[in-house]
Amino acid sequence: SAVISQKPSRDICQRGTSLTIQCQVDSQVTMMFWYRQQPGQSLTLIATANQGSEATYESGFVIDKFPISRPNLTFSTLTVSNMSPEDSSIYLCSVEDMGTGDQSGANVLTFGAGSRLTVL
Amino acid sequence: AQSVTQPDIHITVSEGASLELRCNYSYGATPYLFWYVQSPGQGLQLLLKYFSGDTLVQGIKGFEAEFKRSQSSFNLRKPSVHWSDAAEYFCAVGAWDFNKFYFGSGTKLNVKP
Repeated sequence: SAVISQKPSRDICQRGTSLTIQCQVDSQVTMMFWYRQQPGQSLTLIATANQGSEATYESGFVIDKFPISRPNLTFSTLTVSNMSPEDSSIYLCSVEDMGTGDQSGANVLTFGAGSRLTVL
Repeated sequence: AQSVTQPDIHITVSEGASLELRCNYSYGATPYLFWYVQSPGQGLQLLLKYFSGDTLVQGIKGFEAEFKRSQSSFNLRKPSVHWSDAAEYFCAVGAWDFNKFYFGSGTKLNVKP
């Protein structure tokens, strides 16, 4: 299955600044997804990033706040702009993947380890 | 509306005891159903998936789950819990279009020695 690397793994940021999170996949994938996991809560999809087109944002998320780049089939970035304490979350990159082992042949979502942001 | 409910926020079991984590879903079509596990500081790892066929699904690490359409449930089970199973578990429902992928709020599992 795909291996996803995210950077940074964690960061502490000042209010009003912006931070870019990088997601690198070890294989070419069509769709990449960005999720947010706020403290004590579940995962919420921010947007879907396809190579060569603008990202598709879910309700409640806008491009000005969360600009996304997808320059090729193995890489994407998510920027959290003009951060406030409410943006303190884990941000997870994921890809649609063919599972392995017991899940062989089944399409699944594979996740990176996440980027834990704390905004002061 | 599509949704996933995990009614138990925290569960504590003794090592060696059996485990069942509950998941109920609401979805208009035939769903894909998933269980993921998230260890501290880690991303989400897929435990198992149900798409069709046998309603009892075997996963990794000795976990299994049973799909019950009549109850809209997909409960996760393990006959004997190990200390390393302490983590947060997420149930999810989705379809071919992964934009339609919904996660439950998670259940934190603590394992007593």
